[in-house]
Amino acid sequence: NAGVTQTPKFQVLKTGQSMTLQCAQDMNHEYMSWYRQDPGMGLRLIHYSVGAGITDQGEVPNGYNVSRSTTEDFPLRLLSAAPSQTSVYFCASSQVRGMGGNTIYFGEGSWLTVV
Amino acid sequence: AQSVTQPDIHITVSEGASLELRCNYSYGATPYLFWYVQSPGQGLQLLLKYFSGDTLVQGIKGFEAEFKRSQSSFNLRKPSVHWSDAAEYFCAVGAGGTSYGKLTFGQGTILTVHP
Repeated sequence: NAGVTQTPKFQVLKTGQSMTLQCAQDMNHEYMSWYRQDPGMGLRLIHYSVGAGITDQGEVPNGYNVSRSTTEDFPLRLLSAAPSQTSVYFCASSQVRGMGGNTIYFGEGSWLTVV
Repeated sequence: AQSVTQPDIHITVSEGASLELRCNYSYGATPYLFWYVQSPGQGLQLLLKYFSGDTLVQGIKGFEAEFKRSQSSFNLRKPSVHWSDAAEYFCAVGAGGTSYGKLTFGQGTILTVHP
């Protein structure tokens, strides 16, 4: 059981480049989400999904795109990278139904630097 | 909208001393509350969570937290701190239903432990 797997762990991009951060979970969780972590600001929700084919915006969605074609995968796309997107990105997943007591699982993070 | 405040950005304690990390939340209904810990360069580890019932919640590594609805607080405590507890701690609040996984995090509290 791998849990939540994020790739790559480290990435350096040039301004204007595009890239995709991958997130996969093997727990058959309906709910998946992406957060970014910046010093002194905790984690902020970028996008989330409650099931395949369903996505919605979180607190800081600008500059990011997501899709959910399968239950397992939830990639995050940076359309045109900017230095302000330098951050640590975390993917998370959980069950939705029977939610009382459900654990929200986080990946190990992806460190992205935009120069 | 839900929000979380961790009033202390940085706390320093001596090894063996007791610890209390403060967390205040704002949420219209009964919240789901979480404490996570993050070591440098690592992902998030769940310490404990509150959903309902007993307001004193026991977690891993000897941590506990108490939910006080009247004070909108969910403070984290440990009776005797170990050097390995040095890390950053995040309090988070979650909504119910299909918004269950939409966590709002506090800014984090960095814990330094002196020998």
